[in-house]
Amino acid sequence: GESVGLHLPTLSVQEGDNSIINCAYSNSASDYFIWYKQESGKGPQFIIDIRSNMDKRQGQRVTVLLNKTVKHLSLQIAATQPGDSAVYFCAVLQGGSEKLVFGKGTKLTVNP
Amino acid sequence: GAGVSQSPRYKVAKRGQDVALRCDPISGHVSLFWYQQALGQGPEFLTYFQNEAQLDKSGLPSDRFFAERPEGSVSTLKIQRTQQEDSAVYLCASRPTQRELETQYFGPGTRLLVL
Repeated sequence: GESVGLHLPTLSVQEGDNSIINCAYSNSASDYFIWYKQESGKGPQFIIDIRSNMDKRQGQRVTVLLNKTVKHLSLQIAATQPGDSAVYFCAVLQGGSEKLVFGKGTKLTVNP
Repeated sequence: GAGVSQSPRYKVAKRGQDVALRCDPISGHVSLFWYQQALGQGPEFLTYFQNEAQLDKSGLPSDRFFAERPEGSVSTLKIQRTQQEDSAVYLCASRPTQRELETQYFGPGTRLLVL
């Protein structure tokens, strides 16, 4: 099976700084990776995804990096804003499975 | 367009009661998922539908949990004889096709509290 671990359960940054949230996964057969943002009282909101045939993907103010050698995934948020405050989850899908396996999440707090 | 909707948003049940949670996926989405999210944890997979067919129910914690999607659109998650450990947020997600490597879109969840 797959397990998804976390490096830091909480992260506090100043507004305007860059944020980096890390995630580790266990199964080298995993081939699809997603970052979700969850605000209090809401469902997870898709941020960005990456497939195993890539090592970097960029969106608006966000970048996901995938290192398959060490089974590590990171989310970088540029110029972090107060509206970015939320819990961020990485989720991993193993090929041939429908089950997204989520990590426990990192709570990001952006201080003005 | 409209996203995934769930109702009710909050449900309080006495232990032993049956509850039914509804999910309206994004129109036309083939795949539908249910997850359970305990406080402070990430969502955990419960079950998966492709159209009306329930293809994976391996995550359902006990036979008190039952899910259906009879017409391939709206889905209902039913919990019989609720227990306190069933208290959690129940999330529904839908995906446009049956392709695995495609984003799942989540609803706001139903927060269930069993007293």
